[in-house]
Amino acid sequence: DQQVKQNSPSLSVQEGRISILNCDYTNSMFDYFLWYKKYPAEGPTFLISISSIKDKNEDGRFTVFLNKSAKHLSLHIVPSQPGDSAVYFCAASGIYNQGGKLIFGQGTELSVKP
Amino acid sequence: NAGVTQTPKFQVLKTGQSMTLQCAQDMNHNSMYWYRQDPGMGLRLIYYSASEGTTDKGEVPNGYNVSRLNKREFSLRLESAAPSQTSVYFCASSEIAANYGYTFGSGTRLTVV
Repeated sequence: DQQVKQNSPSLSVQEGRISILNCDYTNSMFDYFLWYKKYPAEGPTFLISISSIKDKNEDGRFTVFLNKSAKHLSLHIVPSQPGDSAVYFCAASGIYNQGGKLIFGQGTELSVKP
Repeated sequence: NAGVTQTPKFQVLKTGQSMTLQCAQDMNHNSMYWYRQDPGMGLRLIYYSASEGTTDKGEVPNGYNVSRLNKREFSLRLESAAPSQTSVYFCASSEIAANYGYTFGSGTRLTVV
């Protein structure tokens, strides 16, 4: 029972273009969503987050959009750079989750080609 | 500024052997977590510790035990390793709630033959 789903295992984008990574969730009790970035042989690192009271959050080239009615969030990277090539995980948590534990999606591997 | 340190980085075990994965954080975080990463499965929570002295099961706890030794250290033990436990294991820590984000270690790649 996957509560957080990333249905695209991989995405290839040309340098300078927009990368859009998608994530769906099933649990309506989730109220905070995060994106993590992972390079090979390293641990995931926090990228950007959004609270359920918002529908958009920007941080430089990265923007996360949240559509609560569709239970869908997306990460936009504009413009994409070769250094953005990594695996991206979306994650969700709910205020009632003891310990604030995160539920992660399967990950999407982004490849940005020069 | 070490953050979260995991040892060892690599390990090969034979089926039935036991081992303990070590994790330590120096950020004074209250909560600590153990995840495993498998292809197509993402990161799945094994066990977590919301605060010193407490531990709880996550999504995939079978075959594992944990110890929150003190506020800094959270270890994961495999009592009798099985090939299904071949995975990359990540330890993470956070402040009280996940809203602050987790800090992850660099992982332990475990192979059980």
